[in-house]
Amino acid sequence: GIQVEQSPPDLILQEGANSTLRCNFSDSVNNLQWFHQNPWGQLINLFYIPSGTKQNGRLSATTVATERYSLLYISSSQTTDSGVYFCAVAYSGAGSYQLTFGKGTKLSVIP
Amino acid sequence: DGGITQSPKYLFRKEGQNVTLSCEQNLNHDAMYWYRQDPGQGLRLIYYSQIVNDFQKGDIAEGYSVSREKKESFPLTVTSAQKNPTAFYLCASLPRGRVPEAFFGQGTRLTVV
Repeated sequence: GIQVEQSPPDLILQEGANSTLRCNFSDSVNNLQWFHQNPWGQLINLFYIPSGTKQNGRLSATTVATERYSLLYISSSQTTDSGVYFCAVAYSGAGSYQLTFGKGTKLSVIP
Repeated sequence: DGGITQSPKYLFRKEGQNVTLSCEQNLNHDAMYWYRQDPGQGLRLIYYSQIVNDFQKGDIAEGYSVSREKKESFPLTVTSAQKNPTAFYLCASLPRGRVPEAFFGQGTRLTVV
């Protein structure tokens, strides 16, 4: 199956700072998602971004599928950005879709 | 609003009991998944189902069982054979087709007492 690796595993930021989270994947895919897991455990969809760049407020994401990586940018970070960020790919194998996740990046934004 | 509903939000189980976690979706998605998350860890796949009346084991299926009698529903039973069931359980669904974007429920936190 596809391997998904995220870096860094942990990140501590001062409020107002910018950050870049990275997701590498081992094979060609035509889909990729970024999620934010909030302190209550819920996984919130941030981006569905198989290729190109998308922006949503202070967050943006870029996927370069040919080079097998995706980046999540957080600008002017706020304490509410704290939590774990996961990337995931869905690949089709043996007639079914498998969802594979990275291990996540734990972000702590301190005031 | 379309979405995935998991219930209950919190569940306490006595040793030796079976408990069932509910997952319902009204997104008309074909595929549904159950994941387990331990504190500070990532998501591990328990079971998944691509169509009604069919499901496959994931990486950590031992001690769990599922059914898929309806497209909308994919309940997970944590049996007494699961030796360490205390964890956070997440259900997800995924459509077939050109845009396989997954959505998650709010999760169920299971504690053995």
